[in-house]
Amino acid sequence: GDSVTQMEGPVTLSEEAFLTINCTYTATGYPSLFWYVQYPGEGLQLLLKATKADDKGSNKGFEATYRKETTSFHLEKGSVQVSDSAVYFCALFQAGTALIFGKGTTLSVSS
Amino acid sequence: GAVVSQHPSWVICKSGTSVKIECRSLDFQATTMFWYRQFPKQSLMLMATSNEGSKATYEQGVEKDKFLINHASLTLSTLTVTSAHPEDSSFYICSARAGTSYNEQFFGPGTRLTVL
Repeated sequence: GDSVTQMEGPVTLSEEAFLTINCTYTATGYPSLFWYVQYPGEGLQLLLKATKADDKGSNKGFEATYRKETTSFHLEKGSVQVSDSAVYFCALFQAGTALIFGKGTTLSVSS
Repeated sequence: GAVVSQHPSWVICKSGTSVKIECRSLDFQATTMFWYRQFPKQSLMLMATSNEGSKATYEQGVEKDKFLINHASLTLSTLTVTSAHPEDSSFYICSARAGTSYNEQFFGPGTRLTVL
């Protein structure tokens, strides 16, 4: 079945460092891809999405490009802030199903 | 975006008792609700999908007699963990969807269940 694999954390960075969180997927068909963020004590929030190959999703300085050839959707940010500390989930969706999530990656940013 | 609430946010119970968790969509009608279970350092695992007014569809390996799901209205779904045991301790998250596309699926804050 469909699945999502993302790098294990925790990822610990200093403020203003560059962030990459790797995500690869296995799916039949042509899924849509997402990154969700979960701040402490809060529910999951959609961070960005891409619905077809070569699409780039972006939001709040985060970016991810849908790479069909490498089945990847890596999350990047050029300069992280302390407020970006959270758990990040990569996910995929195909019509008629529920979202399928990766295990989540904890990001901790220190000042 | 739309808001989904869960109650309680945390609960501690004795082994053998039953616990009910509520999930509400506060400002939209949820035709479909999902229940996920999250173990430490693991992914959100889909437990079941429920559509208002019909029986829930459980994922393989999820005991439907242990995890009772009721989706009685378009704004409320409940998950009852029956005869809870310590291995049922986990973080339970609900999600509600108004339509069939991804961008209409919203998540609750989760409920931490601890069974002693």
